[in-house]
Amino acid sequence: DAKTTQPTSMDCAEGRAANLPCNHSTISGNEYVYWYRQIHSQGPQYIIHGLKNNETNEMASLIITEDRKSSTLILPHATLRDTAVYYCIVRVRAAGNKLTFGGGTRVLVKP
Amino acid sequence: NAGVMQNPRHLVRRRGQEARLRCSPMKGHSHVYWYRQLPEEGLKFMVYLQKENIIDESGMPKERFSAEFPKEGPSILRIQQVVRGDSAAYFCASSPGGGGSTDTQYFGPGTRLTVL
Repeated sequence: DAKTTQPTSMDCAEGRAANLPCNHSTISGNEYVYWYRQIHSQGPQYIIHGLKNNETNEMASLIITEDRKSSTLILPHATLRDTAVYYCIVRVRAAGNKLTFGGGTRVLVKP
Repeated sequence: NAGVMQNPRHLVRRRGQEARLRCSPMKGHSHVYWYRQLPEEGLKFMVYLQKENIIDESGMPKERFSAEFPKEGPSILRIQQVVRGDSAAYFCASSPGGGGSTDTQYFGPGTRLTVL
């Protein structure tokens, strides 16, 4: 699986949009971008995934650049409960393919 | 639809004892994955199982650790003769299997193992 690079940490204000960047310059054509988060010591929570088109669900939006070498996860209205470590993972979407977690971005939402 | 369930949530063992961690996948899911998170470290893949089969155990320590996913019942991660270095959070994830758009892994709340 391709390697990803994320900022170590970032702060954002409650109620504002949080934009979390991820670089994956060596991504292959059949690899998807997945986002998970881990709140405190809970189990990782799936957020969203995409291949090349932008995706949106009830939790977040995923913007993938045209060359697919980077992406941005957008939390439209951050709340204090969004404070967590966010992981960007690139993997082939197939049963059995493990998730390789990097260091992630530690996001602190401040009042 | 209940999520992935793990029990116990907390487990304390003395050195040399055995630890058994259980994972019940989401309804309709036939693939199970185990991950370990050591203190202040990231999650690391351990093993991937389908019903009655171990498919990928490339992340499992060579000794003392074993996993199974029987035809009936939960998946079990077994650690024999635990040592202090086994203290960690162990997370189970499940996916429907079958590839395509249905292979997203969903995680349970984890079991926190403390070895005294």
